[in-house]
Amino acid sequence: EDQVTQSPEALRLQEGESSSLNCSYTVSGLRGLFWYRQDPGKGPEFLFTLYSAGEEKEKERLKATLTKKESFLHITAPKPEDSATYLCAVPAYSGAGSYQLTFGKGTKLSVIP
Amino acid sequence: DSGVTQTPKHLITATGQRVTLRCSPRSGDLSVYWYQQSLDQGLQFLIQYYNGEERAKGNILERFSAQQFPDLHSELNLSSLELGDSALYFCASSPSLITGTDTQYFGPGTRLTVL
Repeated sequence: EDQVTQSPEALRLQEGESSSLNCSYTVSGLRGLFWYRQDPGKGPEFLFTLYSAGEEKEKERLKATLTKKESFLHITAPKPEDSATYLCAVPAYSGAGSYQLTFGKGTKLSVIP
Repeated sequence: DSGVTQTPKHLITATGQRVTLRCSPRSGDLSVYWYQQSLDQGLQFLIQYYNGEERAKGNILERFSAQQFPDLHSELNLSSLELGDSALYFCASSPSLITGTDTQYFGPGTRLTVL
């Protein structure tokens, strides 16, 4: 069964204190790994897609990396506005040529001024 | 703004009732997905439609059903509501079937409260 596990469940950082979030996955034939940011009560906001091991993508203070077993979301010098829940997801084959996203439970990041 | 719209934003109803949630995908997207998010379960895939046809089912209860109309908007119908159905319901859309290469863009969600 395809699984996605995120750690830690919650992370509290001081403003400017860099850290990393982890997403480990077990899926046969990875077709991509997605990172989303979700603010309370809002819909997930797309951040990155990674397709192959060794790939890296950056956006402002965020950098996502991918290995064969896990992905990391590195946050450099975070600001309070980076506080959110970060979700990762992988496509799982659901038959008839379709794929569905399996999400991890997320890491809730709090950045303290 | 992802371009995906959902109505209503909030819905409060009683147990046993039936409600309909509506979703309009991004312009040009043919696939629509429905998700349920509750505090203890995280984001759970319910069902997918592609160009009017049901293509995949996830953890969707028999009391729930969905459809996608010719103009590509979709509706999720929830009936015989129970307290445990209280959750955020999200719609997402993507251009095609292959989520391995297509990004899903999420709407703002509908918060359902069953009293």
